[in-house]
Amino acid sequence: SQKIEQNSEALNIQEGKTATLTCNYTNYSPAYLQWYRQDPGRGPVFLLLIRENEKEKRKERLKVTFDTTLKQSLFHITASQPADSATYLCALPRSGGSYIPTFGRGTSLIVHP
Amino acid sequence: DGGITQSPKYLFRKEGQNVTLSCEQNLNHDAMYWYRQDPGQGLRLIYYSQIVNDFQKGDIAEGYSVSREKKESFPLTVTSAQKNPTAFYLCASSIQGLGADTQYFGPGTRLTVL
Repeated sequence: SQKIEQNSEALNIQEGKTATLTCNYTNYSPAYLQWYRQDPGRGPVFLLLIRENEKEKRKERLKVTFDTTLKQSLFHITASQPADSATYLCALPRSGGSYIPTFGRGTSLIVHP
Repeated sequence: DGGITQSPKYLFRKEGQNVTLSCEQNLNHDAMYWYRQDPGQGLRLIYYSQIVNDFQKGDIAEGYSVSREKKESFPLTVTSAQKNPTAFYLCASSIQGLGADTQYFGPGTRLTVL
């Protein structure tokens, strides 16, 4: 079955640096991949979607890459700010043509002032 | 203001009692979902509904029930058969059929069994 892996250890960085989060997946070739942000005690919020034929997607300070050969997506936040501190989840549609997503466990990002 | 509302934000239940969590959306989305989130774990799908009067079991449906009588509403009942109901419950909705399924989440309900 498909498996999504995100680093369970929190990522600690200094304000102003670029944060890079990783999402790896196995046993699957998804048509797209999504990234969500979740703050403590709140519901996730959609950030970006990247399709299999797109290598890179940008939105303001966010950049997502999608390497279907490596089965990996990288999520970058440039010029990070303490307000970017949150848990970031990647999500893939389930195998078999379903649009219903499967979510990774998320990686916590902590940006220190 | 369009969005998804969940109520209550916090819910306490005694063992052996059923409890119903509310989820309402005014986004005109066809699909609605219920997830459970436990500390350190990802979102696990409980039930989903792609159209009114129809719903499907997700990955962890045992001990839960749902109804979808109106497009806007998708309540979740946590029954006494659910062995470990204490968790954070999230409702979501989406527009399907656009080549992707982007989920819009509510604020969540934290259920604690006493």
